[in-house]
Amino acid sequence: DTAVSQTPKYLVTQMGNDKSIKCEQNLGHDTMYWYKQDSKKFLKIMFSYNNKELIINETVPNRFSPKSPDKAHLNLHINSLELGDSAVYFCASSQDNTVDANYGYTFGSGTRLTVV
Amino acid sequence: AQKITQTQPGMFVQEKEAVTLDCTYDTSDPSYGLFWYKQPSSGEMIFLIYQGSYDQQNATEGRYSLNFQKARKSANLVISASQLGDSAMYFCAMRDYGGSQGNLIFGKGTKLSVKP
Repeated sequence: DTAVSQTPKYLVTQMGNDKSIKCEQNLGHDTMYWYKQDSKKFLKIMFSYNNKELIINETVPNRFSPKSPDKAHLNLHINSLELGDSAVYFCASSQDNTVDANYGYTFGSGTRLTVV
Repeated sequence: AQKITQTQPGMFVQEKEAVTLDCTYDTSDPSYGLFWYKQPSSGEMIFLIYQGSYDQQNATEGRYSLNFQKARKSANLVISASQLGDSAMYFCAMRDYGGSQGNLIFGKGTKLSVKP
């Protein structure tokens, strides 16, 4: 069983479209995250979310919105896609938002989004 | 201020030799965790090793060891007996409760190439 699964793995879409990326974890973790990896491989956190709090990186445009129907899912919705949104998006989860190794992150395999 | 610094964009190592990937970090929080991840060309993020700020000994996991020098705020990854399969991007990351709000913050990565 895949611990953190993302779908789709590849997504090609036109500018201006709205798209969603789904993420599910079966680890029983309390906190989930979305990261963006740009063309230079830099990984930047976009959101972290648990059942209590959504923390948004202030640099993330409000066209991006996380939606969590339950603790095991954190989907990423993107409105009005732009060329600059092309990147690899990673979902991750952890037991809790602490620094302990026991609460390290487990990553999904990534979604490569290409906006044309 | 950049919290995680990896100064080596790319490194080459001969197969079977050891290699050190540099990482320095910046935090004022006394409690933090340091992580290394490997990202092969297939794209997934693979957890390698963890070091807690209060750990007295350097972490080791098989051929991976973390050279933790707290006073210098460095957490270098040492890979012994390099293998061709070690060719990948390597990311140093940190969690603290300061500005990152407990989220995992990454360095820009080092691309390691193992030569036969």
